[in-house]
Amino acid sequence: AQSVTQPDIHITVSEGASLELRCNYSYGATPYLFWYVQSPGQGLQLLLKYFSGDTLVQGIKGFEAEFKRSQSSFNLRKPSVHWSDAAEYFCAVGALGTDKLIFGTGTRLQVFP
Amino acid sequence: GAVVSQHPSWVICKSGTSVKIECRSLDFQATTMFWYRQFPKQSLMLMATSNEGSKATYEQGVEKDKFLINHASLTLSTLTVTSAHPEDSSFYICSAKSGGMNTEAFFGQGTRLTVV
Repeated sequence: AQSVTQPDIHITVSEGASLELRCNYSYGATPYLFWYVQSPGQGLQLLLKYFSGDTLVQGIKGFEAEFKRSQSSFNLRKPSVHWSDAAEYFCAVGALGTDKLIFGTGTRLQVFP
Repeated sequence: GAVVSQHPSWVICKSGTSVKIECRSLDFQATTMFWYRQFPKQSLMLMATSNEGSKATYEQGVEKDKFLINHASLTLSTLTVTSAHPEDSSFYICSAKSGGMNTEAFFGQGTRLTVV
């Protein structure tokens, strides 16, 4: 069965520092992969997605993610974090043969000034 | 991106009553809509998938008689929590898409339901 693992429940970084949020997936074929951000009490906003092609994907708000098939990973990165990036981040995989998304448990990002 | 609007943003209801949550796609036709439930500090759990004009497909363990889903038009889906109980209190989020499997789903802002 497809699954998504986000090993880090909570990450704290200083403003201006670099960021990497980890995501590992279990999937039988080439996956559709997504990163979403959720601010408190809000819905989800798509940061970026990978369907095929270039394994380094650029997203909004300065985020990027790299698909590494050999490691079954799709880690999210940002070179310099801003205080406004504090939020919950979800990695998701498109379930095989369906429209469904399978979400990881999320990583809460806290940013200190 | 496309806009999906949920209403209400929050609702408090008495135990035993029913509550309806609306999910509207404002600037596109949503052939498929999804309803999720999110417990505090947890991930999103898919409850059901609905296609316009068809009965919703519920995930295993979700009571279809408890959570009634209607997708009567290409821009509106509703989730009705019937005979609500305190354990139904949660954050409910809808998403909508207009294409196939490799198209983006857009999320509503969520509805906080509190049953007292």
